[in-house]
Amino acid sequence: KNEVEQSPQNLTAQEGEFITINCSYSVGISALHWLQQHPGGGIVSLFMLSSGKKKHGRLIATINIQEKHSSLHITASHPRDSAVYICAVRWGGGADGLTFGKGTHLIIQP
Amino acid sequence: ETGVTQTPRHLVMGMTNKKSLKCEQHLGHNAMYWYKQSAKKPLELMFVYNFKEQTENNSVPSRFSPECPNSSHLFLHLHTLQPEDSALYLCASSHPGQLVDTQYFGPGTRLTVL
Repeated sequence: KNEVEQSPQNLTAQEGEFITINCSYSVGISALHWLQQHPGGGIVSLFMLSSGKKKHGRLIATINIQEKHSSLHITASHPRDSAVYICAVRWGGGADGLTFGKGTHLIIQP
Repeated sequence: ETGVTQTPRHLVMGMTNKKSLKCEQHLGHNAMYWYKQSAKKPLELMFVYNFKEQTENNSVPSRFSPECPNSSHLFLHLHTLQPEDSALYLCASSHPGQLVDTQYFGPGTRLTVL
């Protein structure tokens, strides 16, 4: 069964800390997504990666295709970064749906 | 605001009721998706529509019936649901045909089945 594993499941940190969330998957993929879900349920797509590294503001996402592993980093974390961060992969091309990890519940304390 | 809207945002229904969830996007996307998020479980893909044709049904029970009348609208018809069907139902859309494409999510419908 194709699986997506995320770690840690829960993470509490102090404001300003550097945050790393990890994602690993079992077989080859065409793309990996990092999503952010705030209380209330709305989901926002942060990054979509097929190789290398992307940066947007304080967020950085990397992917290692050979190791089947991706990381999401948050620099200078802030309480407004508190949310659930979800890794999701697309196994094939075209309009295939995503397979999701269980999410990482991040709390940044002031 | 992602450009994908869902109505209603909250729905409470009995097991014998029939209701429908609606999703709408005007982003010019041709693929639309239904996902289910139950408490303490990962998001699960339910259905995929590509150019109005259903291309994936992820072993969803027949009490959930999707409909895609055009590329901008997607419905999920519900009948004789069970309490365990209570969940957040999320719609998303994307533009297939590109090698990799971003999915845009609606805000979700929080469904409670009594």
